[in-house]
Amino acid sequence: DVKVTQSSRYLVKRTGEKVFLECVQDMDHENMFWYRQDPGLGLRLIYFSYDVKMKEKGDIPEGYSVSREKKERFSLILESASTNQTSMYLCASSFLPGINEQFFGPGTRLTVL
Amino acid sequence: AQSVTQLDSQVPVFEEAPVELRCNYSSSVSVYLFWYVQYPNQGLQLLLKYLSGSTLVKGINGFEAEFNKSQTSFHLRKPSVHISDTAEYFCAVALWASGTYKYIFGTGTRLKVLA
Repeated sequence: DVKVTQSSRYLVKRTGEKVFLECVQDMDHENMFWYRQDPGLGLRLIYFSYDVKMKEKGDIPEGYSVSREKKERFSLILESASTNQTSMYLCASSFLPGINEQFFGPGTRLTVL
Repeated sequence: AQSVTQLDSQVPVFEEAPVELRCNYSSSVSVYLFWYVQYPNQGLQLLLKYLSGSTLVKGINGFEAEFNKSQTSFHLRKPSVHISDTAEYFCAVALWASGTYKYIFGTGTRLKVLA
């Protein structure tokens, strides 16, 4: 079974802190994604990566950056956390893009105070 | 512009009744279509997908969906729901745009199965 793990289920941070969210997949997938999920808005793509050290902006990249130094690991970085970044963050991975489904981690619920 | 619309934000239904969750999309190019389910405090998992071929697709847990190209719809159905089907359901499309695949998710439909 494909497994996507995220470093924390719940995280509480203060405004202005630098926040790292880690995601690891164990199926050698090329593609990895970071989404945020908010009630009534569904999933919105923050960044995705189709290969090591490669990244593409999604629909809402402002205030975020990413890092992919190894194929299995994709990190989301909030350079200076703000209260409007309080949300559920979901990581996903997939094999070939388009035709293959995405496999999701359990999510990290981040609260910024 | 491409979009995915799930008109029903919440659908209450009694146990053992049939249910249909609606999904419409807008795209000028061919799409691949997916339905995902999210149980409380979990990530999303795939229910079913349509890539090509037969327009009726069967998935896990007794769910099925029908692709209707003329109506640009991909509605999800189950003939008899169980309490355990209570979850949020997301419709998604994958399409080729600007040199890469773009994924668009709907806003989700909360299915509440009542005893």
